[in-house]
Amino acid sequence: SQQGEEDPQALSIQEGENATMNCSYKTSINNLQWYRQNSGRGLVHLILIRSNEREKHSGRLRVTLDTSKKSSSLLITASRAADTASYFCATDGGSTLGRLYFGRGTQLTVWP
Amino acid sequence: EAGVAQSPRYKIIEKRQSVAFWCNPISGHATLYWYQQILGQGPKLLIQFQNNGVVDDSQLPKDRFSAERLKGVDSTLKIQPAKLEDSAVYLCASSSIRDRFGYTFGSGTRLTVV
Repeated sequence: SQQGEEDPQALSIQEGENATMNCSYKTSINNLQWYRQNSGRGLVHLILIRSNEREKHSGRLRVTLDTSKKSSSLLITASRAADTASYFCATDGGSTLGRLYFGRGTQLTVWP
Repeated sequence: EAGVAQSPRYKIIEKRQSVAFWCNPISGHATLYWYQQILGQGPKLLIQFQNNGVVDDSQLPKDRFSAERLKGVDSTLKIQPAKLEDSAVYLCASSSIRDRFGYTFGSGTRLTVV
């Protein structure tokens, strides 16, 4: 399978704590993306990291990429109850056509 | 800019019935995708259009699913006849040719087949 796999499947933390989610994939990639999905809604793009990048920041989000280990991590710092959602990593499988391969996601619950 | 519009929001049908979903992408986005998301799983691509041509439909169950994108704008995904395992959220997304990976997703259509 070319899809990414997130770990853990579920994560429960208190507000103010940091949340770390991991993603592993099997093929070469040009880029890897992280998406967020609130219950019953569409996916929202969070951040894209290219294969020649090792780390990227966006607000409270920090993404790392290790192409030698075919893995990525998403760190959300100082989490808020509003961060409660499912988080998915998606890879392009080495293609430039636009298709994305998604993992099963990590369900993050942030308790106030 | 307006987002990706999808309708209906919810649909409940009996097995063997037909159903159609509609998507209106962001204006100017040449690439349009239909993804199927089964509960507890990540989205899986069904079909990708560029303008009104099909780029990838390798995962589309063509015996029962069909999709079209007339005039390279709106798109319709149809299931005929539906099976219980088709119960899922059907997500439409669009992107520009210049930034194929800059997806914008619609809110999806939740289909329940009973």
